[in-house]
Amino acid sequence: NAGVTQTPKFQVLKTGQSMTLQCAQDMNHNSMYWYRQDPGMGLRLIYYSASEGTTDKGEVPNGYNVSRLNKREFSLRLESAAPSQTSVYFCASSETWNTEAFFGQGTRLTVV
Amino acid sequence: GIQVEQSPPDLILQEGANSTLRCNFSDSVNNLQWFHQNPWGQLINLFYIPSGTKQNGRLSATTVATERYSLLYISSSQTTDSGVYFCAVFGVGNKFYFGSGTKLNVKP
Repeated sequence: NAGVTQTPKFQVLKTGQSMTLQCAQDMNHNSMYWYRQDPGMGLRLIYYSASEGTTDKGEVPNGYNVSRLNKREFSLRLESAAPSQTSVYFCASSETWNTEAFFGQGTRLTVV
Repeated sequence: GIQVEQSPPDLILQEGANSTLRCNFSDSVNNLQWFHQNPWGQLINLFYIPSGTKQNGRLSATTVATERYSLLYISSSQTTDSGVYFCAVFGVGNKFYFGSGTKLNVKP
């Protein structure tokens, strides 16, 4: 049982490049989330998907787009990366919106 | 959104000591979790505790939802307890809000 799997684990981008962070969960959860964590800080919500087919903005959505591809997968896209998007990105899932959440191992992204 | 405040921000302990970490939140919540972020960055679930008290080995947690706070107790601390402890709550708007964490350093 892998839980929440994120790919890639590490990535370096040049300013202006695009990329997609992938997230998949095998717990049959309905809700999925994307967070970013900057040095010395807690996690901030970028986007979330309460259920398959729905997505909503979180606290810091600017510069990102998401796709809930199916119940298992929730991807995060950076269309034109900026140095301010250098961060560690975490994906999470929960059975419903107010039940226990489980996190992936994170993706460390550096934009130069 | 909901404000989540954790204290203390930093804590240094000698191995074997006990500690209490606090989480205050500004509004009614439907869920509260405690996580440990280890030195490798991995977030480990400690407790899912919307209310009441739970214990898991040397760790225990209490949430008093009506008074809007939660406490995490660490007894007989070990060096492997080092890292950052986060409190996170689900609140209005189906969003999960994190505190800024307590950084714990347990010295041998």
